[in-house]
Amino acid sequence: SQKIEQNSEALNIQEGKTATLTCNYTNYSPAYLQWYRQDPGRGPVFLLLIRENEKEKRKERLKVTFDTTLKQSLFHITASQPADSATYLCALDNFNKFYFGSGTKLNVKP
Amino acid sequence: DTEVTQTPKHLVMGMTNKKSLKCEQHMGHRAMYWYKQKAKKPPELMFVYSYEKLSINESVPSRFSPECPNSSLLNLHLHALQPEDSALYLCASSQDKTNYGYTFGSGTRLTVV
Repeated sequence: SQKIEQNSEALNIQEGKTATLTCNYTNYSPAYLQWYRQDPGRGPVFLLLIRENEKEKRKERLKVTFDTTLKQSLFHITASQPADSATYLCALDNFNKFYFGSGTKLNVKP
Repeated sequence: DTEVTQTPKHLVMGMTNKKSLKCEQHMGHRAMYWYKQKAKKPPELMFVYSYEKLSINESVPSRFSPECPNSSLLNLHLHALQPEDSALYLCASSQDKTNYGYTFGSGTRLTVV
């Protein structure tokens, strides 16, 4: 069966550290993978997209890697801040059906 | 305008009621979507509209009826819902999803009593 799994339900880190979130998928062959941020009671907000032929993508303090052999994407937030606290979702497009991973709730402590 | 607007923000309805959720975008996006999200779960795809035509129905019960009156509007008509249908209903749109992803609204929090 097809699955999109994110490493943990919750991740607690100290302000200033780098947060690393993992997204693993099985039985998909995505041409690209996306990461979203979701705050409580709000819709997801698009952050970054990485294609299958790209190893790494950066945007300000965010970095995404994509390993199609391992079927894994890593999402990094450097110099994390309490304002980064939210749920982060990875997502795949599979034949125009867009599926989300289970999400990781990031808590950045001051 | 770079937003997807959903109304109402909150809705409480009885199991015998008929209500509608509304979604609007003025970004010229030609694909629009309905998602359902239960607490502490990821959003689940319900329907996809492409160029105002229903292209994907993820085996959603007929008590949920989508409608796309024009390229800017998407409705979700609700009838005879069950308490387990209580959830956050999210609308999204996209144009160039391979570059800019999807734009989501803030959702309608639906409670069925």
